[in-house]
Amino acid sequence: SAVISQKPSRDICQRGTSLTIQCQVDSQVTMMFWYRQQPGQSLTLIATANQGSEATYESGFVIDKFPISRPNLTFSTLTVSNMSPEDSSIYLCSVLGEQETQYFGPGTRLLVL
Amino acid sequence: QQPVQSPQAVILREGEDAVINCSSSKALYSVHWYRQKHGEAPVFLMILLKGGEQKGHEKISASFNEKKQQSSLYLTASQLSYSGTYFCGTEGAGNTPLVFGKGTRLSVIA
Repeated sequence: SAVISQKPSRDICQRGTSLTIQCQVDSQVTMMFWYRQQPGQSLTLIATANQGSEATYESGFVIDKFPISRPNLTFSTLTVSNMSPEDSSIYLCSVLGEQETQYFGPGTRLLVL
Repeated sequence: QQPVQSPQAVILREGEDAVINCSSSKALYSVHWYRQKHGEAPVFLMILLKGGEQKGHEKISASFNEKKQQSSLYLTASQLSYSGTYFCGTEGAGNTPLVFGKGTRLSVIA
């Protein structure tokens, strides 16, 4: 199974600012995803991070608000821009491993004041 | 479309059994089951591919009925460690991101 790390693990931010979350995988993976999980809720896919091209965003999520980078097969970043309290959530990086299993990172807990 | 899970929550005493269901309105390529404990990331339990096979360990298993677009997770002789929220994630085609249900909160008490 893939070992995934995320930085930061948690942060408290002021509204109007931006935060960049990093996701590092211990092996090369083709597919990486970013999810959001609001307290007590399910996991909602934000986007698929594509290596060498723009990310593919799900309905309700836009690049200006959640820009994503994927410079290589082991790393990706998600930026939450111009934050508001509604962006308070857990942000999870996920990768597709062997036998089509999807693994999750530990998550980044974000609180926007 | 988001799969529908039932029940939303269940409380068990140690040793009791439970079934969690997951259904979709569209054709499925696979169903994945995860357990998430409070404050932690979801942990992969098992994947079921088209074919209706049942998989799992002795006490946690799952089935996938492709024609009915349904999957069920079976927990037998539950232990305290089984407590958490169980999510099913469905995949409509290979190598696409999962769409998750709203989760079933399972509490096992002594």
